[in-house]
Amino acid sequence: DAGVTQSPTHLIKTRGQQVTLRCSPKSGHDTVSWYQQALGQGPQFIFQYYEEEERQRGNFPDRFSGHQFPNYSSELNVNALLLGDSALYLCASSLRVGRAEAFFGQGTRLTVV
Amino acid sequence: GEDVEQSLFLSVREGDSSVINCTYTDSSSTYLYWYKQEPGAGLQLLTYIFSNMDMKQDQRLTVLLNKKDKHLSLRIADTQTGDSAIYFCAEEHSNTGKLIFGQGTTLQVKP
Repeated sequence: DAGVTQSPTHLIKTRGQQVTLRCSPKSGHDTVSWYQQALGQGPQFIFQYYEEEERQRGNFPDRFSGHQFPNYSSELNVNALLLGDSALYLCASSLRVGRAEAFFGQGTRLTVV
Repeated sequence: GEDVEQSLFLSVREGDSSVINCTYTDSSSTYLYWYKQEPGAGLQLLTYIFSNMDMKQDQRLTVLLNKKDKHLSLRIADTQTGDSAIYFCAEEHSNTGKLIFGQGTTLQVKP
């Protein structure tokens, strides 16, 4: 079991550009959540996907959007990048029904210049 | 509101016990978690406790939950240098699966 995998591991983008980050959940998991972790802070919830729909959303602007595919993998898209979007983006997978134990991937380090 | 508070830093000597504390606000939280983060890495799930439990022990880790005071602690017995990391407390928000994290406690273990 490969656990939760994210790609790419590092990314550098220019302000105003768009970025897509990818996540494959742990085998057997059907729910994917995305978190943003700024330097020196705890992770902040962005949104959660289950059955290919956004189910929960945190306090993030519409520039942040996502998608979940039939195989449960997920993408996070950020448009019109700002310098403040520089952070570690973490994907967590879990089972919707039953226990909410969440396992995290290694994250994608996004730097906006 | 949603808020999880942790002390920022703890320093202990190798072999001693470490106790990391956390307070949370959502009384309807179903699960409370402890995650470990090493430099440049993602979050590693260490342990969790269901909200109707008072204590959970898992090898060197002991979690204590005081639901009345909304206080959670993680005790690491016989702390090793490999335990040096940032430890995050998280509450599951109202059975939604959404996790609310504290700002993390940096544990420094001195030889």
